[in-house]
Amino acid sequence: GDSVTQMEGPVTLSEEAFLTINCTYTATGYPSLFWYVQYPGEGLQLLLKATKADDKGSNKGFEATYRKETTSFHLEKGSVQVSDSAVYFCALSKRDSGYALNFGKGTSLLVTP
Amino acid sequence: NAGVMQNPRHLVRRRGQEARLRCSPMKGHSHVYWYRQLPEEGLKFMVYLQKENIIDESGMPKERFSAEFPKEGPSILRIQQVVRGDSAAYFCASSLQRESSYNEQFFGPGTRLTVL
Repeated sequence: GDSVTQMEGPVTLSEEAFLTINCTYTATGYPSLFWYVQYPGEGLQLLLKATKADDKGSNKGFEATYRKETTSFHLEKGSVQVSDSAVYFCALSKRDSGYALNFGKGTSLLVTP
Repeated sequence: NAGVMQNPRHLVRRRGQEARLRCSPMKGHSHVYWYRQLPEEGLKFMVYLQKENIIDESGMPKERFSAEFPKEGPSILRIQQVVRGDSAAYFCASSLQRESSYNEQFFGPGTRLTVL
């Protein structure tokens, strides 16, 4: 079946460092890809999305490009802030599964001053 | 425009009791999804509902779990005879439409169920 694999955390970075969180997927058909962020004690918020190959999603300085040839959707940010500390989830959805989200296990990010 | 509401935020039950989790979708949203987040794991899809219909319950355990989304009122996830393994965070998400390649789901804050 379909699946999403993320790099395991926790990831600890100093403020202003470059961030990469790897995400690869296995899926038939043409999934849409998402990054969600979860702050402590809260629900998930959509960070960015891409619906077809070569699309680049971006938001709040974060970017990810839908790479069909490598089945990847890596999350990047050029300069992280303490406020970016959270858990990041990569996910996919497809029409034939009712667009239910299929999540990776999440990657915890801690940014220190 | 209020977001997705879930209540209670925290729920404690003893083994064998029933747990009822409520989810009010965003205004105008007619699609609801329930996910479960077990400790140290990602979220797992449980069930997808539209008003008065269960569309996909492939992720929901066959026994003790049920879900509904009535014409009026919130969606309810019901767990009968809870066991310690049911302890988790349960998240509800709602979306506006299905027939689209872009289907943003808006998440509620979750209900954290603890079974003693």
